[in-house]
Amino acid sequence: QEKVQQSPESLIVPEGAMSSLNCTFSNSASQSIWWYQQHPGKGPEALISIFSNGNKKEGRLTVYLNRASLHVSLHIRDSQPSDSAVYLCAVSMDSNYQLIWGSGTKLIIKP
Amino acid sequence: EAAVTQSPRNKVAVTGGKVTLSCNQTNNHNNMYWYRQDTGHGLRLIHYSYGAGSTEKGDIPDGYKASRPSQENFSLILELATPSQTSVYFCASGGTGGDTQYFGPGTRLLVL
Repeated sequence: QEKVQQSPESLIVPEGAMSSLNCTFSNSASQSIWWYQQHPGKGPEALISIFSNGNKKEGRLTVYLNRASLHVSLHIRDSQPSDSAVYLCAVSMDSNYQLIWGSGTKLIIKP
Repeated sequence: EAAVTQSPRNKVAVTGGKVTLSCNQTNNHNNMYWYRQDTGHGLRLIHYSYGAGSTEKGDIPDGYKASRPSQENFSLILELATPSQTSVYFCASGGTGGDTQYFGPGTRLLVL
């Protein structure tokens, strides 16, 4: 069974700084890796996904994937209070593209 | 924009009672999913569907049934609710393959 682990469990970052979140997975044969954002009392919302080794940039978000080390990271540049949320990493494994989810990182941006 | 709605938003049920959670999507997505979210466990897949009339077991299907009577609607049924089923339940829809999943706002279920 695929396992997805996220670190840290929680993170406090000053406004304007870079936020860095980590995710490790157990199977290099995974398909895409997704990052979702979840605000309190809301459903998760997809932020960005990556399939190929390397990095992908969208706006203030950058994702780095290293399949050899089974590691993916999300970096949020110029963090804003509105970025405060739980960030979920999800890995799709098989041809059915079912997602296996990590337990999340709670990000708090301090003004 | 993708739209997934869930009802009810909050539910209190008694042990042994029947609970039905409903989900509607207007995205015309083939795939729909039911998850539960508990502290420390992340999202866990209960049942999913590839289209009207189909239901498949996810990772934790015991104690749950699902029904997909149409493209738009997907229900989760707890025939005999237990306190261990107290949780927040999310419905999601998605296209085929590895498309983005779009989530509803969740249903908070308390089984007493």
